[in-house]
Amino acid sequence: QTVVTQEPAYSVSPGGTVTLTCGLNSASVSTGHYPSWYQQTPGQAPRTLIYSTNVRSSGVPDRFSGYILGNKAALTITGARADDESDYYCALYMGGGISVFGGGTKLTVL
Amino acid sequence: QVTLKESGPALVNPTQTLTLTCTFSGFSLSTSGQRVTWIRQPPGKALEWLARIDWDDDKFYSTSLRTRLAISKDTSKNQVVLTMTNVDPVDTATYYCARVAYSGSSIWFDPWGQGTLVTVSS
Repeated sequence: QTVVTQEPAYSVSPGGTVTLTCGLNSASVSTGHYPSWYQQTPGQAPRTLIYSTNVRSSGVPDRFSGYILGNKAALTITGARADDESDYYCALYMGGGISVFGGGTKLTVL
Repeated sequence: QVTLKESGPALVNPTQTLTLTCTFSGFSLSTSGQRVTWIRQPPGKALEWLARIDWDDDKFYSTSLRTRLAISKDTSKNQVVLTMTNVDPVDTATYYCARVAYSGSSIWFDPWGQGTLVTVSS
């Protein structure tokens, strides 16, 4: 059973920097999993932030960056703003047409 | 501009079969490389990937739900249909469809539909 792990919750101060991670229970995350990251605010559909590990989706500010950090995918937000307060999900492609989402991280900005 | 919209019943009885339709525009599922996926989210919980259908009619399913899911497409109507058999209250969720964007071997989900909330209850 593939489990994608994310921190359940994180807090960051306005203007601060936070790094969210996305791991696998049974292996290291690599660029071959094509990590993607999504931001979701209450009542809204998710919005794509990052795909292919580190490519920002159209319109996403460069305060958001994706990369591989050790054996995990990571999403760093710099200069955190109040409107960054959201749920963040990563998705990994496992091959054979199968994708898996992480459990999500609830980010609080305060 | 690519858009997707989900439709289906808001309320389903336990043990029944749920049928959801994703109607999209701005691309064709008869074009090489195009794919559509279904994802769900129970209230207050995480996203869960369910299924994907490709332009060549390849179909892929979540390991945990594959025995209950079926995905199909009607390219003439620009629709993708997901059926889920033997639903249970734990299947209560907002169901999203999304286009599977791609670049080389990389895939991601963009854009998403607005989602449709399905409640399983008697």
